[in-house]
Amino acid sequence: NAGVTQTPKFQVLKTGQSMTLQCAQDMNHEYMSWYRQDPGMGLRLIHYSVGAGITDQGEVPNGYNVSRSTTEDFPLRLLSAAPSQTSVYFCASSYGEGAGGTEAFFGQGTRLTVV
Amino acid sequence: GNSVTQMEGPVTLSEEAFLTINCTYTATGYPSLFWYVQYPGEGLQLLLKATKADDKGSNKGFEATYRKETTSFHLEKGSVQVSDSAVYFCALDASGGSYIPTFGRGTSLIVHP
Repeated sequence: NAGVTQTPKFQVLKTGQSMTLQCAQDMNHEYMSWYRQDPGMGLRLIHYSVGAGITDQGEVPNGYNVSRSTTEDFPLRLLSAAPSQTSVYFCASSYGEGAGGTEAFFGQGTRLTVV
Repeated sequence: GNSVTQMEGPVTLSEEAFLTINCTYTATGYPSLFWYVQYPGEGLQLLLKATKADDKGSNKGFEATYRKETTSFHLEKGSVQVSDSAVYFCALDASGGSYIPTFGRGTSLIVHP
């Protein structure tokens, strides 16, 4: 099993460019999410999905779009990159099992620099 | 809303020292609690978890006990190794919730030989 796969691992963008960060999982998890990690800020939730066709905003959604057309894939789109979006991005997935207690599986991360 | 507060780092220790990283939480209902670890250049991975009050999670010599009365889930290890150097995140997943965990800010641990 590959688990959660993120591509690319590194990316440099110019201000105003758009791009898509890819995330795929092969564990048939219903729940998927995107976080950004910044120094001193921990992990902040950008968007999440509780199943194919269902997405919702997290703590810091501005400047990002998501869609979930399949269970496996959950791409994150940067519409017009800004230097404030320089960060490390993590995709995670998990399955629902009764009343909570399930672990999240993380990808290796995408290190994005916007210049 | 749900939140997790953990002690700020970095925590710097010598090898074989005792480790405690404090974590407290605020949540409605009865959350499950987790510790995740992030090694340099990698994603997060689950270290241990506890799903109800008084449960103790343990793994790789690390332990944490779910204390409902103090809303805490402190991480401990009796004798740290250089290989334990990493960032540790406390997290919760509220019961009946979205299975999207809420994380603390992370605590960096540096262990010197």
